[in-house]
Amino acid sequence: GAGVSQTPSNKVTEKGKYVELRCDPISGHTALYWYRQSLGQGPEFLIYFQGTGAADDSGLPNDRFFAVRPEGSVSTLKIQRTERGDSAVYLCASSLMDGEAFFGQGTRLTVV
Amino acid sequence: DAKTTQPPSMDCAEGRAANLPCNHSTISGNEYVYWYRQIHSQGPQYIIHGLKNNETNEMASLIITEDRKSSTLILPHATLRDTAVYYCIAPTSGTYKYIFGTGTRLKVLA
Repeated sequence: GAGVSQTPSNKVTEKGKYVELRCDPISGHTALYWYRQSLGQGPEFLIYFQGTGAADDSGLPNDRFFAVRPEGSVSTLKIQRTERGDSAVYLCASSLMDGEAFFGQGTRLTVV
Repeated sequence: DAKTTQPPSMDCAEGRAANLPCNHSTISGNEYVYWYRQIHSQGPQYIIHGLKNNETNEMASLIITEDRKSSTLILPHATLRDTAVYYCIAPTSGTYKYIFGTGTRLKVLA
């Protein structure tokens, strides 16, 4: 596709459940980022991949959050034992090594 | 990241130029200034970036002061579709971690 694709666009889950959010970056982009955006706030950095490895995961809030990018393309953000405070829009972005980041439309996660 | 400060909101008449300021007084010599915008319920959209020289593309112009402590994003002929939150970002050189802040909410008025 032409842009960053995120699936699902919306996800409702029960407190305590496990969720996976998927990101398909722009073809050829080596860098991939995950951000989280709460209502009324700017996006908040979670993790950055360069290729397959997590170059910076300093924004992950706790060990319930984990992200992988096994083949250097598609990435999955995994949240264990979801809490109501995890409700937010999760944004994925990708870029070339030295380029600007292009964002997807996000996955709106609601934990009930 | 260099700390950036922006006014929380601005109004602009349709068809007029929208000038959005950003202060980044602690920016380092090799840190770029990036501008993004976010229209309601969409992901952030890249607009423009620059280092020292003024930049222009099909969306906007970026004016950076000579001391690089501030910049202005200019939308030359604002339309209703330009209503959005505009973010000014100055990521630390060598990293790609954007610190977004709360941005400027631009409302273009008919």
